Amino acid sequence: EVQLVESGGGLVQPGRSLRLSCAASGFTFDDYAMHWVRQAPGKGLEWVSGISWNSGSIGYADSVKGRFTISRDNAKNSLYLQMNSLRAEDTALYYCAKSPVRTIPYAFDIWGQGTMVTVSS
Amino acid sequence: NFMLTQPHSVSESPGKTVTISCTGSSGSIASNYVQWYQQRPGSAPTTVIYEDNQRPSGVPDRFSGSIDSSSNSASLTISGLKTEDEADYYCQSYDSSIVVFGGGTKLTVL
Repeated sequence: EVQLVESGGGLVQPGRSLRLSCAASGFTFDDYAMHWVRQAPGKGLEWVSGISWNSGSIGYADSVKGRFTISRDNAKNSLYLQMNSLRAEDTALYYCAKSPVRTIPYAFDIWGQGTMVTVSS
Repeated sequence: NFMLTQPHSVSESPGKTVTISCTGSSGSIASNYVQWYQQRPGSAPTTVIYEDNQRPSGVPDRFSGSIDSSSNSASLTISGLKTEDEADYYCQSYDSSIVVFGGGTKLTVL
């Protein structure tokens, strides 16, 4: 079964850091690009960042550029999001999403259930 | 920046047909593929249309997608509406190195 399981969310103070992880199973992880997509409470979907199959191409939304860093470890079938200088507006459910192709940007075919990040003092 | 605009909400009765639009802000929406995602409350999104008009396996043929270059828009059409279709629907495309979502449309089936 194809599965994405996010972890690492929680309550964090503004200005602090948090690292999200996504464990992939049921498919050949290093054959596909991966993404992070977030959804603030009661709001729509917002693409955060994407990384190609070999980490050769990376993209970020303007809202997180310079603060967030996406990475992947193909040997561990894992995707990561290092979030620094967190702001209240980063509060959201963060989804890990698989692309059906190797490159970015494109689309998503598999989604995890998300991990909640709350930025508040 | 490239943006996709959707109506905030639409409603229709069971058995009827509804169309949700997704209008591109600049360039040609036909330049890159458009996808449509369904999100029910409390659940992650799932794909109902990919590459403008393709349905993933398991998605009923009541769902269809199209592109209208003259209006620079994409459309999701759901026919034979069922109460289970009630959900939020998001269009999505991409430009250069970024991914763009529409703001989402809440479909009410009543």
